[in-house]
Amino acid sequence: QKEVEQNSGPLSVPEGAIASLNCTYSDRGSQSFFWYRQYSGKSPELIMSIYSNGDKEDGRFTAQLNKASQYVSLLIRDSQPSDSATYLCAVIGGGSNYKLTFGKGTLLTVNP
Amino acid sequence: GAVVSQHPSRVICKSGTSVKIECRSLDFQATTMFWYRQFPKQSLMLMATSNEGSKATYEQGVEKDKFLINHASLTLSTLTVTSAHPEDSSFYICSAPRTGSSYNEQFFGPGTRLTVL
Repeated sequence: QKEVEQNSGPLSVPEGAIASLNCTYSDRGSQSFFWYRQYSGKSPELIMSIYSNGDKEDGRFTAQLNKASQYVSLLIRDSQPSDSATYLCAVIGGGSNYKLTFGKGTLLTVNP
Repeated sequence: GAVVSQHPSRVICKSGTSVKIECRSLDFQATTMFWYRQFPKQSLMLMATSNEGSKATYEQGVEKDKFLINHASLTLSTLTVTSAHPEDSSFYICSAPRTGSSYNEQFFGPGTRLTVL
């Protein structure tokens, strides 16, 4: 059973702070890792993808991948109230033909 | 990012009727698409994998005769909820991976909110 685990949350941070979201996965053969943002009542939106060990930065977002530890994280710098949403960690496991395995999501609230 | 559209965005129907939802990849070809269902405050639940030119693959517990999937072309998949009942009311979302490149990012449609009266 391939599993993806996320901090249970909810996570609350003040505006301007760094929000840190964490995720672990069980399938060591996984090669593709994604972070989605889902606002209430909306569909998920892809915000970051990462495939290699290390950091990947895109604007205020930084994804970090450590395949040895089977760990993925997302840092959001200078958090804004508009970042308040549920963040979903998703993984494509080895041999899964593009099928995503999702974590249960972490609800982030950024307080003005 | 790539664009995936869904139609309709919202539908209200009477119990016993059938509802068809379309999912289109607008700027890339998708040999595979996925259909999800999400109930309020719950996680996404994968219902089935739609494959162009072949039968869909359904997840355990999903009735294939109730949720008919047709992947008619490389840009269109449809989900038909047959003989809908109130318990089928949910948020239905499709997704498509952009394949054929070194990356396999998957993009979601905006979703279809189904209410069965």
